[in-house]
Amino acid sequence: AQSVTQLGSHVSVSEGALVLLRCNYSSSVPPYLFWYVQYPNQGLQLLLKYTTGATLVKGINGFEAEFKKSETSFHLTKPSAHMSDAAEYFCAVTPSGNTPLVFGKGTRLSVIA
Amino acid sequence: SAVISQKPSRDICQRGTSLTIQCQVDSQVTMMFWYRQQPGQSLTLIATANQGSEATYESGFVIDKFPISRPNLTFSTLTVSNMSPEDSSIYLCSVDEGNTNEQFFGPGTRLTVL
Repeated sequence: AQSVTQLGSHVSVSEGALVLLRCNYSSSVPPYLFWYVQYPNQGLQLLLKYTTGATLVKGINGFEAEFKKSETSFHLTKPSAHMSDAAEYFCAVTPSGNTPLVFGKGTRLSVIA
Repeated sequence: SAVISQKPSRDICQRGTSLTIQCQVDSQVTMMFWYRQQPGQSLTLIATANQGSEATYESGFVIDKFPISRPNLTFSTLTVSNMSPEDSSIYLCSVDEGNTNEQFFGPGTRLTVL
């Protein structure tokens, strides 16, 4: 069975500072990993995904994440936070395509001017 | 990417009534999923809906409470039956684009039960 742990339910950074949102997963098979963002009162938007191949994946809005099998991690980073990045971020895992996602509890990112 | 719409976008309902949520996709997809997001919480899978077969429910969710229809490859409905305030949540449908291994989500239906 798959599971996801997101460390920190709330992260606060200053505008222009590095964003680091942590995600660790548990999976019995090579996982597919995703980061989604949810803005207030909106649905989920896919930021980026890892399925196979290059372990450093780049997504939209300047975000990237690195799959580290040895650490069972898929942390999300952005070099410089923008006010518009304030949202809820969810890490998710699935064993393959066409199977449902298992989500972490989410991390709320606040950006301080 | 698939474009998904849901109706209604939000509703306020009385205890004991039922609400049917519609999910429409602009392309044919094999798998559709229904999730629930309780206030301030993450997403929990309710069921997986394949066209032409019974939906598969996760532990804690039953067909009598959450009947699902999947009449074709672009449409599905989820009914929340005999509602109570504990059913107040956002309900989201999602689809898997098999060729990209990406899951896309509808905008969600925000349900409040009084």
